[in-house]
Amino acid sequence: DADVTQTPRNRITKTGKRIMLECSQTKGHDRMYWYRQDPGLGLRLIYYSFDVKDINKGEISDGYSVSRQAQAKFSLSLESAIPNQTALYFCATSRSRGQPQHFGDGTRLSIL
Amino acid sequence: KQEVTQIPAALSVPEGENLVLNCSFTDSAIYNLQWFRQDPGKGLTSLLLIQSSQREQTSGRLNASLDKSSGRSTLYIAASQPGDSATYLCAVKEYGNKLVFGAGTILRVKS
Repeated sequence: DADVTQTPRNRITKTGKRIMLECSQTKGHDRMYWYRQDPGLGLRLIYYSFDVKDINKGEISDGYSVSRQAQAKFSLSLESAIPNQTALYFCATSRSRGQPQHFGDGTRLSIL
Repeated sequence: KQEVTQIPAALSVPEGENLVLNCSFTDSAIYNLQWFRQDPGKGLTSLLLIQSSQREQTSGRLNASLDKSSGRSTLYIAASQPGDSATYLCAVKEYGNKLVFGAGTILRVKS
């Protein structure tokens, strides 16, 4: 089983819909992250969390919200999806600042 | 604002060649630098992490160097194989915990 699991793997939806992407991890890490990847732009940080009570905005948080339900679960929501949120979304975890980040396999989201 | 640039954007080499991927960053105040591999339809796999106080790290056929003062890192792949074909991403960790990524180098190793 994967250490960092993202669901769904693929999603196609319409403009204006509310969407939730879920991430769960079995690595026991406190730190969790959400990124989006667009062609030619690399990955950009949306939100990050250092524990259940600590949520922080990243570089591109507008239009997104998150929920850290437990140490192992971190969800990303798009309250009202728009086409320019079409992208590949990744969840990642890390043990501490100096340790590597470990990524899930991503969710490919298409908004029509 | 930290910016990370990777050159070349794409590279195609015959099997067996040694190759170098380049990464540059604009702000030398980094905590560490990480190289990742990304396969199609998959997430990122961490290859090497170099702390800011280190000059290089090695893992098997991979060697990554860091010159913080000049804002450069290289990933050296020895004796390339078709299985090395993937996108390679460089990312720098800032002291504010943010990981800033380059756009990646798409590597194709031809058999």
